[in-house]
Amino acid sequence: QQPVQSPQAVILREGEDAVINCSSSKALYSVHWYRQKHGEAPVFLMILLKGGEQKGHEKISASFNEKKQQSSLYLTASQLSYSGTYFCGTGVEDSNYQLIWGAGTKLIIKP
Amino acid sequence: DGGITQSPKYLFRKEGQNVTLSCEQNLNHDAMYWYRQDPGQGLRLIYYSQIVNDFQKGDIAEGYSVSREKKESFPLTVTSAQKNPTAFYLCASSMVQGAAEQYFGPGTRLTVT
Repeated sequence: QQPVQSPQAVILREGEDAVINCSSSKALYSVHWYRQKHGEAPVFLMILLKGGEQKGHEKISASFNEKKQQSSLYLTASQLSYSGTYFCGTGVEDSNYQLIWGAGTKLIIKP
Repeated sequence: DGGITQSPKYLFRKEGQNVTLSCEQNLNHDAMYWYRQDPGQGLRLIYYSQIVNDFQKGDIAEGYSVSREKKESFPLTVTSAQKNPTAFYLCASSMVQGAAEQYFGPGTRLTVT
């Protein structure tokens, strides 16, 4: 039931772009994206809701394909501060509104 | 400043002892959560609470207990029945349960030897 994130890890040079994917086997009503730096709390990036509504930071973009139960997070012109582990949390329909989290994608940005 | 506080940041205990992790929020959120995070893994839900005096088990509740006597407080007790308690514990809250942003505390790293 855990969503699958891909890739597991990615290394970029500063300024390059990255796409992180999150795929579920269940019907979703929401996808949440968070970034976590080592030893710290996850920080909210974006929520994507069934029906098209999105809430999040202006510099972050993401998509949610409801039919395919997939979401992608787009990081463009990456900065050193983007480094960390990115997690998707999926809101599964009929799951009493609990989020099920992926294992994370580790992103390393090099100067 | 509004936010979530967890204390202590690091906690060491001997096997067989119960230990209580503190979580306090001043965001006036109704919903609160406890997660466990192990190295290289995502977050796993231990318990959650939608309102005061009510809470439900998450996926890995065995060996843990909680209380929600006040809206702002949601302490987690790791009992001696928890077979592998060493982990990073995160508390979170949200305005409502469901499709709402979750705010996380800084976490407590528990080591049991």
